[in-house]
Amino acid sequence: AQSVTQPDIHITVSEGASLELRCNYSYGATPYLFWYVQSPGQGLQLLLKYFSGDTLVQGIKGFEAEFKRSQSSFNLRKPSVHWSDAAEYFCAGLFSGGYNKLIFGAGTRLAVHP
Amino acid sequence: ETGVTQTPRHLVMGMTNKKSLKCEQHLGHNAMYWYKQSAKKPLELMFVYSLEERVENNSVPSRFSPECPNSSHLFLHLHTLQPEDSALYLCASSQEVSRWPNEQFFGPGTRLTVL
Repeated sequence: AQSVTQPDIHITVSEGASLELRCNYSYGATPYLFWYVQSPGQGLQLLLKYFSGDTLVQGIKGFEAEFKRSQSSFNLRKPSVHWSDAAEYFCAGLFSGGYNKLIFGAGTRLAVHP
Repeated sequence: ETGVTQTPRHLVMGMTNKKSLKCEQHLGHNAMYWYKQSAKKPLELMFVYSLEERVENNSVPSRFSPECPNSSHLFLHLHTLQPEDSALYLCASSQEVSRWPNEQFFGPGTRLTVL
């Protein structure tokens, strides 16, 4: 079955520290992969996406993600976190078939300490 | 306006009320979606519309009734809801349901509280 897993429910980092949020998928082929961010009370904003090609993808707000086929992972990274990055982050996979379903992970809530 | 808009942004209703959520997309897309986001649960797909035709109903109770009068507008009619239906309801659109890849664009959501 197709699934997307975010193992970390909550993560707390200090401002200026590096960040890595984990995402794994389960699927027979490579899905298209996305990272979204959601600030409190807001909708989803697309940070970046991976369709094919270069496995290191650059996104907005200084984020990047690396696709690793061998690990079925698509981890999100940022070298230096800002207090404004505190939000919830969702990894999602687009799986082919039918109407090409977008499946979300459960989300990781990021807190940033000053 | 651009992108996907949703109104109202916040809604409080009693269990006996009837209300509607509205979504409008200005992207020229042919597919629209309703998602529910409850506290501590992953986003759940509720309905999918392609060219005004419903193509997916993800086992949603009948107290939620979607309507898609044209490819730019999507409604979610609410009737006799329960407190557990309180959630953020997100609308999304994409070019075609069967297009690959099918990138979805999300609206800001409607925060619904059922008393």
